[in-house]
Amino acid sequence: DSGVTQTPKHLITATGQRVTLRCSPRSGDLSVYWYQQSLDQGLQFLIQYYNGEERAKGNILERFSAQQFPDLHSELNLSSLELGDSALYFCASSFGDTTINEKLFFGSGTQLSVL
Amino acid sequence: AQKITQTQPGMFVQEKEAVTLDCTYDTSDQSYGLFWYKQPSSGEMIFLIYQGSYDEQNATEGRYSLNFQKARKSANLVISASQLGDSAMYFCAMREGLSGKLIFGQGTELSVKP
Repeated sequence: DSGVTQTPKHLITATGQRVTLRCSPRSGDLSVYWYQQSLDQGLQFLIQYYNGEERAKGNILERFSAQQFPDLHSELNLSSLELGDSALYFCASSFGDTTINEKLFFGSGTQLSVL
Repeated sequence: AQKITQTQPGMFVQEKEAVTLDCTYDTSDQSYGLFWYKQPSSGEMIFLIYQGSYDEQNATEGRYSLNFQKARKSANLVISASQLGDSAMYFCAMREGLSGKLIFGQGTELSVKP
Protein backbone atom coordinates (compact mmCIF):
# COMPACT_ATOMS: atom_id res chain seq x y z
CA ASP A 1 0.00 0.00 0.00
CA SER A 2 1.58 3.26 -1.20
CA GLY A 3 -0.46 5.45 1.13
CA VAL A 4 -1.97 7.38 -1.79
CA THR A 5 -5.74 7.03 -1.96
CA GLN A 6 -7.74 7.50 -5.11
CA THR A 7 -11.50 7.42 -5.44
CA PRO A 8 -13.46 6.10 -7.12
CA LYS A 9 -11.68 2.99 -8.41
CA HIS A 10 -13.98 2.67 -11.36
CA LEU A 11 -16.16 5.22 -13.10
CA ILE A 12 -18.52 4.63 -16.00
CA THR A 13 -20.14 7.61 -17.63
CA ALA A 14 -21.47 8.88 -20.94
CA THR A 15 -20.02 11.22 -23.51
CA GLY A 16 -20.54 14.87 -22.73
CA GLN A 17 -20.64 14.31 -18.98
CA ARG A 18 -18.41 15.73 -16.28
CA VAL A 19 -16.63 13.71 -13.59
CA THR A 20 -14.37 14.42 -10.64
CA LEU A 21 -11.54 12.17 -9.55
CA ARG A 22 -10.20 12.52 -6.06
CA CYS A 23 -6.76 11.92 -4.60
CA SER A 24 -5.42 11.98 -1.06
CA PRO A 25 -1.61 12.02 -0.97
CA ARG A 26 0.56 10.16 1.49
CA SER A 27 0.71 11.74 4.89
CA GLY A 28 3.29 14.53 4.81
CA ASP A 29 3.59 14.71 1.03
CA LEU A 30 3.13 18.17 -0.45
CA SER A 31 3.24 17.40 -4.17
CA VAL A 32 0.48 15.76 -6.14
CA TYR A 33 0.79 14.61 -9.75
CA TRP A 34 -1.85 13.42 -12.17
CA TYR A 35 -1.12 10.97 -14.97
CA GLN A 36 -3.28 9.44 -17.67
CA GLN A 37 -2.52 5.92 -18.89
CA SER A 38 -4.00 4.63 -22.13
CA LEU A 39 -2.98 1.88 -24.53
CA ASP A 40 -2.11 4.23 -27.36
CA GLN A 41 -0.54 7.12 -25.41
CA GLY A 42 1.08 5.26 -22.55
CA LEU A 43 1.65 7.14 -19.29
CA GLN A 44 1.15 10.85 -19.90
CA PHE A 45 1.89 13.51 -17.32
CA LEU A 46 -1.04 15.87 -16.90
CA ILE A 47 -0.32 18.29 -14.08
CA GLN A 48 1.54 18.78 -10.79
CA TYR A 49 0.60 20.73 -7.70
CA TYR A 50 2.86 21.59 -4.81
CA ASN A 51 1.36 22.83 -1.57
CA GLY A 52 -1.69 24.17 -3.32
CA GLU A 53 0.04 25.79 -6.27
CA GLU A 54 0.29 24.57 -9.82
CA ARG A 55 3.91 23.64 -10.52
CA ALA A 56 4.03 21.96 -13.90
CA LYS A 57 1.67 21.26 -16.71
CA GLY A 58 1.86 18.52 -19.30
CA ASN A 59 -0.46 17.48 -22.08
CA ILE A 60 -3.59 18.35 -20.19
CA LEU A 61 -6.61 19.18 -22.29
CA GLU A 62 -8.49 22.43 -21.74
CA ARG A 63 -11.54 20.33 -20.83
CA PHE A 64 -9.57 19.01 -17.86
CA SER A 65 -8.75 20.97 -14.75
CA ALA A 66 -7.30 20.20 -11.37
CA GLN A 67 -6.73 21.77 -8.01
CA GLN A 68 -5.07 21.02 -4.71
CA PHE A 69 -6.91 22.02 -1.57
CA PRO A 70 -5.52 23.36 1.73
CA ASP A 71 -5.67 19.87 3.24
CA LEU A 72 -3.49 18.80 0.27
CA HIS A 73 -5.97 16.48 -1.34
CA SER A 74 -6.44 17.01 -5.05
CA GLU A 75 -9.24 16.70 -7.55
CA LEU A 76 -9.07 16.23 -11.28
CA ASN A 77 -12.13 17.43 -13.15
CA LEU A 78 -12.85 16.07 -16.59
CA SER A 79 -15.66 17.71 -18.57
CA SER A 80 -17.35 17.29 -21.94
CA LEU A 81 -16.09 13.75 -21.90
CA GLU A 82 -15.26 11.96 -25.12
CA LEU A 83 -14.76 8.28 -25.87
CA GLY A 84 -11.02 8.90 -26.12
CA ASP A 85 -10.87 10.05 -22.52
CA SER A 86 -11.37 6.48 -21.39
CA ALA A 87 -8.19 5.63 -19.52
CA LEU A 88 -6.62 4.81 -16.19
CA TYR A 89 -5.97 8.01 -14.26
CA PHE A 90 -3.25 7.90 -11.66
CA CYS A 91 -2.51 10.24 -8.85
CA ALA A 92 0.97 10.22 -7.33
CA SER A 93 2.53 12.12 -4.47
CA SER A 94 5.94 13.08 -3.18
CA PHE A 95 7.21 15.14 -0.30
CA GLY A 96 9.12 17.72 -2.27
CA ASP A 97 8.83 19.65 -5.46
CA THR A 98 11.94 19.39 -7.60
CA THR A 99 14.37 17.18 -5.75
CA ILE A 100 16.02 14.94 -8.32
CA ASN A 101 15.93 11.72 -6.34
CA GLU A 102 12.43 12.08 -5.03
CA LYS A 103 10.37 9.05 -5.96
CA LEU A 104 6.69 9.26 -6.69
CA PHE A 105 4.23 7.08 -4.81
CA PHE A 106 1.26 6.13 -6.93
CA GLY A 107 -2.32 5.44 -6.02
CA SER A 108 -4.14 2.45 -7.48
CA GLY A 109 -5.77 4.60 -10.13
CA THR A 110 -9.28 5.41 -11.32
CA GLN A 111 -10.42 3.47 -14.35
CA LEU A 112 -12.63 5.78 -16.38
CA SER A 113 -14.87 4.35 -19.06
CA VAL A 114 -16.74 6.77 -21.30
CA LEU A 115 -19.57 5.11 -23.20
CA ALA B 1 13.21 17.81 -24.64
CA GLN B 2 13.58 14.79 -22.43
CA LYS B 3 12.62 11.42 -23.83
CA ILE B 4 12.65 7.83 -22.60
CA THR B 5 12.81 4.90 -25.01
CA GLN B 6 12.07 1.30 -24.15
CA THR B 7 12.54 -0.77 -27.28
CA GLN B 8 11.31 -4.12 -25.99
CA PRO B 9 7.51 -4.25 -25.96
CA GLY B 10 7.55 -7.76 -24.50
CA MET B 11 10.06 -10.20 -23.08
CA PHE B 12 10.06 -13.75 -21.77
CA VAL B 13 12.39 -15.19 -19.16
CA GLN B 14 12.64 -18.56 -17.48
CA GLU B 15 12.05 -18.64 -13.76
CA LYS B 16 15.28 -18.27 -11.74
CA GLU B 17 17.15 -16.72 -14.66
CA ALA B 18 18.32 -13.13 -14.92
CA VAL B 19 16.79 -10.67 -17.36
CA THR B 20 17.75 -7.21 -18.61
CA LEU B 21 15.16 -4.63 -19.60
CA ASP B 22 16.50 -1.87 -21.81
CA CYS B 23 16.03 1.85 -21.36
CA THR B 24 17.67 4.72 -23.17
CA TYR B 25 17.08 8.36 -22.46
CA ASP B 26 17.68 11.72 -24.01
CA THR B 27 18.31 14.88 -22.09
CA SER B 28 20.45 17.97 -22.32
CA ASP B 29 20.56 18.39 -18.55
CA GLN B 30 23.59 17.38 -16.50
CA SER B 31 21.46 16.70 -13.46
CA TYR B 32 18.71 14.11 -13.76
CA GLY B 33 17.29 11.08 -12.07
CA LEU B 34 16.29 7.74 -13.54
CA PHE B 35 13.62 5.49 -12.07
CA TRP B 36 12.10 2.10 -12.71
CA TYR B 37 8.54 1.23 -11.81
CA LYS B 38 6.66 -2.05 -11.96
CA GLN B 39 3.00 -2.32 -12.88
CA PRO B 40 1.45 -5.74 -12.16
CA SER B 41 -1.81 -6.78 -13.74
CA SER B 42 -3.63 -5.32 -10.74
CA GLY B 43 -2.67 -1.89 -12.06
CA GLU B 44 -0.77 -0.13 -9.29
CA MET B 45 2.62 1.45 -9.99
CA ILE B 46 5.38 0.23 -7.69
CA PHE B 47 8.74 1.99 -7.33
CA LEU B 48 11.70 -0.35 -7.83
CA ILE B 49 14.97 1.54 -8.08
CA TYR B 50 16.55 4.96 -8.57
CA GLN B 51 19.82 6.17 -10.17
CA GLY B 52 21.08 9.74 -10.08
CA SER B 53 23.12 11.16 -12.93
CA TYR B 54 25.99 11.95 -10.57
CA ASP B 55 25.97 8.57 -8.85
CA GLU B 56 29.16 6.71 -9.65
CA GLN B 57 27.96 3.35 -8.47
CA ASN B 58 25.17 1.40 -10.11
CA ALA B 59 22.07 1.31 -7.90
CA THR B 60 20.93 -1.96 -6.39
CA GLU B 61 17.77 -2.87 -4.49
CA GLY B 62 17.58 -6.54 -3.60
CA ARG B 63 17.19 -8.52 -6.83
CA TYR B 64 17.05 -5.33 -8.87
CA SER B 65 20.08 -3.51 -10.18
CA LEU B 66 20.44 -0.68 -12.60
CA ASN B 67 23.14 -0.88 -15.26
CA PHE B 68 23.85 2.82 -15.75
CA GLN B 69 25.98 3.79 -18.74
CA LYS B 70 26.02 7.57 -18.82
CA ALA B 71 27.95 8.01 -22.05
CA ARG B 72 25.49 5.75 -23.85
CA LYS B 73 22.53 7.34 -22.05
CA SER B 74 21.23 3.97 -21.00
CA ALA B 75 19.75 2.80 -17.71
CA ASN B 76 18.93 -0.87 -18.05
CA LEU B 77 17.13 -2.75 -15.30
CA VAL B 78 18.56 -6.13 -14.37
CA ILE B 79 16.37 -8.56 -12.44
CA SER B 80 18.28 -11.49 -11.02
CA ALA B 81 16.73 -14.87 -10.20
CA SER B 82 13.38 -14.09 -11.82
CA GLN B 83 10.24 -15.15 -9.99
CA LEU B 84 6.73 -15.77 -11.30
CA GLY B 85 5.60 -12.68 -9.42
CA ASP B 86 7.94 -10.56 -11.53
CA SER B 87 5.55 -10.90 -14.48
CA ALA B 88 4.38 -7.34 -15.04
CA MET B 89 4.87 -4.17 -17.08
CA TYR B 90 8.08 -2.33 -16.31
CA PHE B 91 8.47 1.38 -16.91
CA CYS B 92 11.61 3.45 -17.08
CA ALA B 93 11.21 7.11 -16.12
CA MET B 94 13.32 10.25 -15.87
CA ARG B 95 13.23 13.50 -13.99
CA GLU B 96 15.31 16.43 -15.24
CA GLY B 97 16.98 19.15 -13.24
CA LEU B 98 14.40 21.41 -11.68
CA SER B 99 11.35 19.60 -12.98
CA GLY B 100 9.18 17.74 -10.53
CA LYS B 101 7.47 15.55 -13.08
CA LEU B 102 8.55 12.11 -14.20
CA ILE B 103 8.47 11.28 -17.88
CA PHE B 104 7.85 7.60 -18.64
CA GLY B 105 8.81 5.26 -21.44
CA GLN B 106 6.29 3.03 -23.19
CA GLY B 107 7.04 0.07 -20.97
CA THR B 108 8.19 -3.52 -21.37
CA GLU B 109 5.92 -6.43 -20.56
CA LEU B 110 7.87 -9.15 -18.83
CA SER B 111 6.54 -12.70 -18.64
CA VAL B 112 8.27 -15.19 -16.36
CA LYS B 113 7.84 -18.83 -17.39
CA PRO B 114 7.87 -21.66 -14.83
